[in-house]
Amino acid sequence: GAVVSQHPSRVICKSGTSVKIECRSLDFQATTMFWYRQFPKQSLMLMATSNEGSKATYEQGVEKDKFLINHASLTLSTLTVTSAHPEDSSFYICSARPRGRGNTGELFFGEGSRLTVL
Amino acid sequence: AQSVAQPEDQVNVAEGNPLTVKCTYSVSGNPYLFWYVQYPNRGLQFLLKYITGDNLVKGSYGFEAEFNKSQTSFHLKKPSALVSDSALYFCAVRDGGATNKLIFGTGTLLAVQP
Repeated sequence: GAVVSQHPSRVICKSGTSVKIECRSLDFQATTMFWYRQFPKQSLMLMATSNEGSKATYEQGVEKDKFLINHASLTLSTLTVTSAHPEDSSFYICSARPRGRGNTGELFFGEGSRLTVL
Repeated sequence: AQSVAQPEDQVNVAEGNPLTVKCTYSVSGNPYLFWYVQYPNRGLQFLLKYITGDNLVKGSYGFEAEFNKSQTSFHLKKPSALVSDSALYFCAVRDGGATNKLIFGTGTLLAVQP
């Protein structure tokens, strides 16, 4: 149980285009999902916290208009990288917390999406 | 603010030997601590967590971690390393804010030599 599906796993796009990454909790409901960015050989940087039915909470330094997050249902959150540039190339990972496990529960992670902007 | 530190960028160990991956934490209040493993180009997999109770926590794949309050440490251990254990390991602490987000350490690359 507690499977998180992330799609696409790899995407290559041209500079200036937008890319959408989906994060789905397959067998549980997630009121909260988190989006991380990971640079090569570095730790995970939390970008934003996505709450179902409300606006995402962005970490300091993360551009809201650049990284659009939508959490339309209890099982789906999307990250859209708008007007992508080569410096946006990175590994993006989503994670979800099962509903009701706010205080002690671990997060379950997607497999990540490798974005390459040409 | 809550934080964790992983002092070693890389740990090398021979197959069959015991391994330890270090983590220290800084929290206000009771710590909620986690270990995750990441294989190349993959997401993170949960290994174990400490919330309360026994200081020795057993997790997946034969890993365990010891919570030490006096030393503010939560080191990951395994009695006998496997080559397949080679991966990137992250220690994390739960942030005490409303979202209970996890704060990750910088990661430690474990390399197990055959």
